Amino acid sequence: SAVISQKPSRDICQRGTSLTIQCQVDSQVTMMFWYRQQPGQSLTLIATANQGSEATYESGFVIDKFPISRPNLTFSTLTVSNMSPEDSSIYLCSVEDEETASYEQYFGPGTRLTVT
Amino acid sequence: AQSVTQLDSHVSVSEGTPVLLRCNYSSSYSPSLFWYVQHPNKGLQLLLKYTSAATLVKGINGFEAEFKKSETSFHLTKPSAHMSDAAEYFCVVSDPSYSNYQLIWGAGTKLIIKP
Repeated sequence: SAVISQKPSRDICQRGTSLTIQCQVDSQVTMMFWYRQQPGQSLTLIATANQGSEATYESGFVIDKFPISRPNLTFSTLTVSNMSPEDSSIYLCSVEDEETASYEQYFGPGTRLTVT
Repeated sequence: AQSVTQLDSHVSVSEGTPVLLRCNYSSSYSPSLFWYVQHPNKGLQLLLKYTSAATLVKGINGFEAEFKKSETSFHLTKPSAHMSDAAEYFCVVSDPSYSNYQLIWGAGTKLIIKP
């Protein structure tokens, strides 16, 4: 199984600013996923990031608001731009179990973001 | 399109009694199904998964789930609840109609354990 770390674990930010979240995996993976979990809610997929190509965004999420980088096979960043209180959420990155092809995903510990 | 319905937003049981968390899905394909658990202020952990092998799947911490195709259900059970089981549980289905096999998440069930 993959081990995933995220930085920062939590942050409190002022509205109008931007925060970049880092996700590091201990093995090389093809796809990385970014999710948002709003307070008391389930997970919503923001985008899928493949190394060497533009991220694929889900309906309701746009690159200008959530730019993603994927410079190599073990690392990705998600930026939350021009933040508002509605962006207060837990942001999680995940990777798929590529060894078994079972579609199981492993998750990072999440970044808890509060926008004031 | 696939979907997942967790029938209860909250389930409250006494310690030592059985746990049942209900999940129904809709799928046009042979799905893979998962249960994830999220303890307060902790990350998501896979409890168990069904991937077209045995219909009764055993997971960690004494949990198990049975895939019933005729009922399109994948309910999670545990014979005896422990205080440490208090958490949010998510039923998840994979959707092979998407090129990246997107996971479809249920809304979650909060499990409350009474002493």
